[in-house]
Amino acid sequence: GAVVSQHPSWVICKSGTSVKIECRSLDFQATTMFWYRQFPKQSLMLMATSNEGSKATYEQGVEKDKFLINHASLTLSTLTVTSAHPEDSSFYICSASPGGPGNTIYFGEGSWLTVV
Amino acid sequence: DQQVKQNSPSLSVQEGRISILNCDYTNSMFDYFLWYKKYPAEGPTFLISISSIKDKNEDGRFTVFLNKSAKHLSLHIVPSQPGDSAVYFCAVNTGNQFYFGTGTSLTVIP
Repeated sequence: GAVVSQHPSWVICKSGTSVKIECRSLDFQATTMFWYRQFPKQSLMLMATSNEGSKATYEQGVEKDKFLINHASLTLSTLTVTSAHPEDSSFYICSASPGGPGNTIYFGEGSWLTVV
Repeated sequence: DQQVKQNSPSLSVQEGRISILNCDYTNSMFDYFLWYKKYPAEGPTFLISISSIKDKNEDGRFTVFLNKSAKHLSLHIVPSQPGDSAVYFCAVNTGNQFYFGTGTSLTVIP
């Protein structure tokens, strides 16, 4: 079946540095990818919708200058957390959709970011 | 290995009837379970959740049942409405880890 892969699964970075998380669709082309943030025991929060070849659409309250999203190809979207702070520590999840009938969405395994 | 499985990729139900979506998981250590709903061209939205200390949680037309011994989770929607037509994902959480099912596409027929 379709697979969406995220890398890295775990990352620790120092405050003030930037960290990049990759989301790849391994066996389909994804014109649209989604980025989410998840806190334990809370609902998934959609951060932005990433469209290949165009700017991402950010949800209200999400700082676009802090969370840079690049969807450079049909199989890769990246989320860069810039000037990371401890409060950015969270579980980040991407999902991708090949489009077409049914519009099934496939989730990545998630990436846990810890900012120290 | 898949930690969470939704074995039915699709389900069709008549309006007014009950929709039952199922989810199986592998690890008895999971302690929080969630259901998400997704419309086409939109991101998933949270629907309902249940912790492992309960076996049932109800919110309006939506009820989630947890059978820990069988490692089975189900979502009941009653009565089903055409607006419920969407893809439903179950998810499990323990500590900092989350695992998602591949989704079940529900179609409610008017």
